[in-house]
Amino acid sequence: DQQVKQNSPSLSVQEGRISILNCDYTNSMFDYFLWYKKYPAEGPTFLISISSIKDKNEDGRFTVFLNKSAKHLSLHIVPSQPGDSAVYFCAASALYGGSQGNLIFGKGTKLSVKP
Amino acid sequence: DTEVTQTPKHLVMGMTNKKSLKCEQHMGHRAMYWYKQKAKKPPELMFVYSYEKLSINESVPSRFSPECPNSSLLNLHLHALQPEDSALYLCASSQDGGYQPQHFGDGTRLSIL
Repeated sequence: DQQVKQNSPSLSVQEGRISILNCDYTNSMFDYFLWYKKYPAEGPTFLISISSIKDKNEDGRFTVFLNKSAKHLSLHIVPSQPGDSAVYFCAASALYGGSQGNLIFGKGTKLSVKP
Repeated sequence: DTEVTQTPKHLVMGMTNKKSLKCEQHMGHRAMYWYKQKAKKPPELMFVYSYEKLSINESVPSRFSPECPNSSLLNLHLHALQPEDSALYLCASSQDGGYQPQHFGDGTRLSIL
């Protein structure tokens, strides 16, 4: 029973264009959402997060959008750069649902940015 | 550069061995975590320490024994592991257990013979 789903295993984008990575969740108790980037042989690197009281958070080239009614979030990367090529994980937590600290991860989307 | 340091990076051990994985952070974080990640799967939470006290144990077998000697260190003691325990073990820390992101180390790749 997957509570966090990333339905696209891979995504290929041209350098300079927008990358949009999508994530769906099923648990309505989730109130904190994060995106991580992972290179091979390294641990996940935190990118950006959003709490359920917001619908958008922006940090440089990265923007996360949250649609609570649809239980959907997305990560936009603009403009995409070849160094962004990595696996991107969506994660969620129910901080006030008794699961403090328990991040539930999606299976990841492999982003390839082509020069 | 990761601010969460895990040692060793790789570990091969037999099923009767006893070994320990170590994790260190100097960011002043008060929550620390152990995750297990199998190949082509997402990380799964094992333990959470909050202010040096074990706050979550996700039904992990007793052959895995966590220890938090102080606020900067987290150990995972291993004994009598099974081949299916072979995985990447990730340590993470956060400021506390609230709305702050967890920061991960690069992991220890564990192989059980």
